[in-house]
Amino acid sequence: TQLLEQSPQFLSIQEGENLTVYCNSSSVFSSLQWYRQEPGEGPVLLVTVVTGGEVKKLKRLTFQFGDARKDSSLHITAAQPGDTGLYLCAGVRGGTSYGKLTFGQGTILTVHP
Amino acid sequence: GAGVSQSPRYKVAKRGQDVALRCDPISGHVSLFWYQQALGQGPEFLTYFQNEAQLDKSGLPSDRFFAERPEGSVSTLKIQRTQQEDSAVYLCASSFHKNRNNEQFFGPGTRLTVL
Repeated sequence: TQLLEQSPQFLSIQEGENLTVYCNSSSVFSSLQWYRQEPGEGPVLLVTVVTGGEVKKLKRLTFQFGDARKDSSLHITAAQPGDTGLYLCAGVRGGTSYGKLTFGQGTILTVHP
Repeated sequence: GAGVSQSPRYKVAKRGQDVALRCDPISGHVSLFWYQQALGQGPEFLTYFQNEAQLDKSGLPSDRFFAERPEGSVSTLKIQRTQQEDSAVYLCASSFHKNRNNEQFFGPGTRLTVL
């Protein structure tokens, strides 16, 4: 059973479309992070959300942490081919004092020109 | 500055062989993590070091897996008697503080293929 359920697993869209990726759990997390991973490389942090209900924007990317700190979403506006990659959500559970990350399965995004 | 480096980048082993994977974290980083990423999946936690102390090894799949960080900098993940199910990308990450929300910087990973 996956602690963090990420959906959809695959997303293939045209340039200029909007999309949303979801990350859901029945557990509470002290923080949620979103990463992007390119083939042959390690994940690179995009954002960390800590407070329930928090919304953060990074250019065309909008991240939201659920009020109960059990879920998060990533919304991309006007997707570009350069957005193509693997997007991962990862959480730090409330009981840990260090940054032990629990990852979702990932969403493979392909943006066609 | 240099990021996290890992070596080798690719390793092919015959079933039953022992392998050693190296991680060079960012200089001065206190925390070091190892994760295992199967093909098409998100990474899964293996073990955590705070300086030279291994504080959490709850994710190591079996006693064939062993990790060390003797001087609190470079770390080695060793897998004895490799099995086909050990095939995966092994990622190392480091962070400056031990604080749980501190950003982790990932290396490029070592892709292990067990034949």
